[in-house]
Amino acid sequence: EAQVTQNPRYLITVTGKKLTVTCSQNMNHEYMSWYRQDPGLGLRQIYYSMNVEVTDKGDVPEGYKVSRKEKRNFPLILESPSPNQTSLYFCASSLVAASTDTQYFGPGTRLTVL
Amino acid sequence: QKEVEQNSGPLSVPEGAIASLNCTYSDRVSQSFFWYRQYSGKSPELIMSIYSNGDKEDGRFTAQLNKASQYVSLLIRDSQPSDSATYLCAVNSYMEYGNKLVFGAGTILRVKS
Repeated sequence: EAQVTQNPRYLITVTGKKLTVTCSQNMNHEYMSWYRQDPGLGLRQIYYSMNVEVTDKGDVPEGYKVSRKEKRNFPLILESPSPNQTSLYFCASSLVAASTDTQYFGPGTRLTVL
Repeated sequence: QKEVEQNSGPLSVPEGAIASLNCTYSDRVSQSFFWYRQYSGKSPELIMSIYSNGDKEDGRFTAQLNKASQYVSLLIRDSQPSDSATYLCAVNSYMEYGNKLVFGAGTILRVKS
């Protein structure tokens, strides 16, 4: 089954404790992206990756890191989480970054930082 | 910053009625427009895409695009309680590397039985 998976689905942590949210897709997609979703603000892009070893900042990159060492995986790293990073996070992928490409979303990770 | 605007709602319609969801966008060169449906706590799923001015129909859903007015809408005919969700409008924005999707904040739709 073609899909984007994320782990963990739910996470409660404390300020300053490093964490990683994994994302994997099995569709051989070139393009992957991370979003956060907050009430009233919609989906905002954190980072994206055009291909292996090619990543760049989105609209709200502060406090996040990513890596793309393999095509299928695109982990999101929070080196020192803070309460303002409490949010619902989605990983997404598409074939390339063409205007007509459909983005496929993972199931989401609900993160709470205390 | 390219923007996509939606009325947050909630939009309440009775079962069987037509629900009309609207979206405006600021980037005049955008060429691709998408509607995603998102149930509470779930991930967005694509329900319609439209690239040309006019109407595009798919079952009970019709997307309408007017590039001159920078306006895109989604009509849901014969609304069902299962249509109750948040509907996200997304518009492509050309970037140096390719394209990026810019999302609106979404409109909450409630269909009352």
